[in-house]
Amino acid sequence: NAGVTQTPKFRILKIGQSMTLQCTQDMNHNYMYWYRQDPGMGLKLIYYSVGAGITDKGEVPNGYNVSRSTTEDFPLRLELAAPSQTSVYFCASSYGSWGLGGANVLTFGAGSRLTVL
Amino acid sequence: EDQVTQSPEALRLQEGESSSLNCSYTVSGLRGLFWYRQDPGKGPEFLFTLYSAGEEKEKERLKATLTKKESFLHITAPKPEDSATYLCAVQGGAQKLVFGQGTRLTINP
Repeated sequence: NAGVTQTPKFRILKIGQSMTLQCTQDMNHNYMYWYRQDPGMGLKLIYYSVGAGITDKGEVPNGYNVSRSTTEDFPLRLELAAPSQTSVYFCASSYGSWGLGGANVLTFGAGSRLTVL
Repeated sequence: EDQVTQSPEALRLQEGESSSLNCSYTVSGLRGLFWYRQDPGKGPEFLFTLYSAGEEKEKERLKATLTKKESFLHITAPKPEDSATYLCAVQGGAQKLVFGQGTRLTINP
């Protein structure tokens, strides 16, 4: 059982370039999330999805786009990369958003480290 | 606005030296407080969920407790393999998780 798989693990971009971070999960989870983690800061939610075809903004969505065409995949698109987008990006998934049975426990991928120069 | 503050930012202990990590929070309608462990270069890994004040949960050398304003992660007789960053997060009425900045724990042999 692979869980949540992110690619690539590392990437260096030049200012103004675009790229897509890939995320796939094999747990049949409904909810998927993209977070960024900066040194000394907590995880910040970029976008999330409650199911195929449904996405919504988190705390820090500017400069990013997402799509959710299947239950398994939730790619994050960076358009016109800027140095402020240098960060470690984590994709996560959960069965639900709330529940005493642990439906809202997040399973994280290993992360994608992005540097914009 | 939901907020989470963890202290200390970093903690260095000797093997076997017990201590506690603090997570102070403000949230509108607590739906859950979560503890995650994160090893260098990896994603966070779930440890515990606490739902109401007075609740406690244990796993090996770790015990998490919850009051109406804070949570503690107690570590008893830690080993070097307990070294990691420990993240606290709360889920309120808006249902989105808010994470603290983490406590980086180092256990020296």
